[in-house]
Amino acid sequence: GNSVTQMEGPVTLSEEAFLTINCTYTATGYPSLFWYVQYPGEGLQLLLKATKADDKGSNKGFEATYRKETTSFHLEKGSVQVSDSAVYFCALRMDSSASKIIFGSGTRLSIRP
Amino acid sequence: EAGVAQSPRYKIIEKRQSVAFWCNPISGHATLYWYQQILGQGPKLLIQFQNNGVVDDSQLPKDRFSAERLKGVDSTLKIQPAKLEDSAVYLCASSPRPQGSVPNTEAFFGQGTRLTVV
Repeated sequence: GNSVTQMEGPVTLSEEAFLTINCTYTATGYPSLFWYVQYPGEGLQLLLKATKADDKGSNKGFEATYRKETTSFHLEKGSVQVSDSAVYFCALRMDSSASKIIFGSGTRLSIRP
Repeated sequence: EAGVAQSPRYKIIEKRQSVAFWCNPISGHATLYWYQQILGQGPKLLIQFQNNGVVDDSQLPKDRFSAERLKGVDSTLKIQPAKLEDSAVYLCASSPRPQGSVPNTEAFFGQGTRLTVV
């Protein structure tokens, strides 16, 4: 079945460090891919998305490129801030009106000042 | 545009009691989801509605969980009787119907209801 695998956390970085959170997927077909973020005490928010191969999603300095050849959607940011501390979820959704969103297990990110 | 509304935000009950959660999706969104998020894990789909019909309830423990979406708008999720392992955050989300060739859009999530069963 369809699934998402992302790197386990927690990930702890110093402010202004470079961030990569790995995400790979398994899907029968070509899904849309998402990164959601969950800040402490809040609900899930969409961070960025990509709907087809080679698309790059970007938002708030974060980027991820849809790589069909490696079935990956790694999240990157060049210089993290303390305010980026949150849990990040990679997710996919097949292109069907009946499709559900399938989430990875989440990666907790902590940024030290 | 108002977001997905959920209530209550927090609920503490004893095992074997019953509990209900309410969700009002974004206006006009055809698809409504209920997810269960256990601490340290990713959200897991419990049930998905398209308007007022069930699309996927394969992971819903039907001996104790039930959900309905009357009139294709708001929805309730019920647990009866609750078990300790039901302690989790219950997330409601909605998404619009795909338009023609436009790929599926993302889902919009409410803040969730944190359930603690003691």
